[in-house]
Amino acid sequence: AQSVTQLDSHVSVSEGTPVLLRCNYSSSYSPSLFWYVQHPNKGLQLLLKYTSAATLVKGINGFEAEFKKSETSFHLTKPSAHMSDAAEYFCVVTTYSSASKIIFGSGTRLSIRP
Amino acid sequence: NAGVTQTPKFQVLKTGQSMTLQCAQDMNHNSMYWYRQDPGMGLRLIYYSASEGTTDKGEVPNGYNVSRLNKREFSLRLESAAPSQTSVYFCASILVAGGRADTQYFGPGTRLTVL
Repeated sequence: AQSVTQLDSHVSVSEGTPVLLRCNYSSSYSPSLFWYVQHPNKGLQLLLKYTSAATLVKGINGFEAEFKKSETSFHLTKPSAHMSDAAEYFCVVTTYSSASKIIFGSGTRLSIRP
Repeated sequence: NAGVTQTPKFQVLKTGQSMTLQCAQDMNHNSMYWYRQDPGMGLRLIYYSASEGTTDKGEVPNGYNVSRLNKREFSLRLESAAPSQTSVYFCASILVAGGRADTQYFGPGTRLTVL
């Protein structure tokens, strides 16, 4: 079985400081992992994805994530937070070719303090 | 490419009324999904369609029906709306091939209120 856990429901950082949003996954097979962002009253936008190529994945808006198989983690980071980064972030894992096996994390709300 | 489109964007219903949410994608994706998102919660899968002609229940299918009209279109129907179905509904599509599910693309959402 596969699952995904976002370890923090809410993260608050000051503008200009680093961002770390944590995601752990469980999968019996090699997973594909994604991070999506959802701004208030908007749809979901893909930030980045890992699909068995380079373990350090760079995404849009300065975000990146590192796939660590030994730790079953796919944490999202950004060196310097911007006010526009305030949003909800979802970690997603898929493993099988079956269309049903797409698992969403519960989300992490990122707040940015001026 | 328009990506994934949904209509309507907003809808207010009275309890017991019916309506159909429409979704279409122009990316030649084989799999399509309907999710609901409630305040402070993540996305919950209502129904999905792995390919044209097939549909399957997700996590919260009660009170809903779906139709995969063709490869492009996947509709969600509420036969008798209830206040508990007040939510934001997202349609999504994905290409599943070669043993991998690729990026899932989402529509802009339909904000539904049932009074």
